[in-house]
Parts: sequence; C-alpha cells; structure tokens
Amino acid sequence: EIVLTQSPATLSLSPGERATLSCRASQSVSTYLAWYQQKPGQAPRLLIYDASNRATGIPARFSGSGSGTDFTLTISSLEPEDFAVYYCQQRSNWPITFGQGTRLEIK
Amino acid sequence: EVQLLESGGGLVQPGGSLRLSCAASGFTFSSYAMSWVRQAPGKGLEWVSSIRGSDSSTYYADSVKGRFTISRDNSKNTLYLQMNSLRAEDTAVYYCAKARPPGANPLDYWGQGTLVTVSS
Repeated sequence: EIVLTQSPATLSLSPGERATLSCRASQSVSTYLAWYQQKPGQAPRLLIYDASNRATGIPARFSGSGSGTDFTLTISSLEPEDFAVYYCQQRSNWPITFGQGTRLEIK
Repeated sequence: EVQLLESGGGLVQPGGSLRLSCAASGFTFSSYAMSWVRQAPGKGLEWVSSIRGSDSSTYYADSVKGRFTISRDNSKNTLYLQMNSLRAEDTAVYYCAKARPPGANPLDYWGQGTLVTVSS
C-alpha cells in the first residue's frame, strides 16, 4: 500500500497570504495524484487531478505541482473561503489511498 | 447537473448488516466508475471500494474485503454497498462519488454522505 504523508498537519495563515501544502508518497505515483478540499459538514471537493490539472470550476489561485513522490498544492492568495482541510489522494496503485490531511486555519 | 444521493445509513449492532444506496442523476451513469469513501467521526478520508462502469470490475480496501460488496444497477442509475459483519470501526459517514474518466479515480462529484453507526 502506498502511504501518503501530508505536511504540515496544521497551517496557520492570514487571508491574502500564500499557502504551500506538501504531500509525499512512500513510492512513486508518477503524476497520479489528486487534491481535495473539505469544509466542515460538507463532502470533499476535487481541486486538482493528475498532479497539476485544475478541476472544473476551480479558481486559478489553486495550483498543483510535482511528480514521483513529492507534490505541492499552492494557493497563491488566500481567500476567507479557502480555510478548510486538504487531502491528497493517489490512484497509481490499488488500494487507493489518501493522506491524513492538512488543516488550513486562519491566523 | 450531477447529483448523488445516498441513503440506507443508520444504527446497527456489531455483526449486523446494512445496505447503502446511491441514486445518481445528471450524467450517463453506466459510463462511469463509482466509488464509496468513508470518514470516521473527526478523522480523515478512507477509500472503501470502487466499481468500473465498463465491465463492473470491483476493488476493495483490505479493511472491508470479504465483508462489503459493491454493486450497481445501471437500469436504475443506482450504486450499492452491501455491508455485512459490521464492526464498531466501520462507524463513519459513507460517501458515494463519481469518477473523473478515464479511470476509477479521481472523484469529481460526491454525495452528501450517509451516517452508519455500529454500536450495541
């Protein structure tokens, strides 16, 4: 099973700042990595697929990069609605696995 | 508009069974892989099972293999999860989700979830 490790566990930033979230895989997943956003009481929402492609309707301030084992989700300038939990997910190998999540909170 | 509506959750005793349903609309259901993902209270996301649209191939997490069965009825646009031999650790919100093609993941549309509580 491929283990995804996200860091940091919690990130405290202010609106307007840049956020950088990391996801590291225990073995290569090529670019088969996705990022999701989840707000309290809501279902997850797909942000990025295949490492760097924005999903439909996702604002341009969200971007993804990386390949192999190291990936980054960047939010260029935080909006109030961006404070949430973010998960990475790999689809390179079965079983599908998620990272443990990064909580992005308002400083 | 894509809509996924889960039902069938509730309180069940350890060792019991439950069947979850997910009614899909707004897309050609038979053409897409579907998945179940769960989230225990206060915890992260855990993939449970996936089923392809093309040939109905199925995949399971080790934690549920042999106890849970995913299936679909393309004539009814409905996804199912039959859960047997339930354990306390199966307590979670269960989400159904549609795959972004061409594969079984990632998941581009999600339902709002149904809560399963396993307790005596």
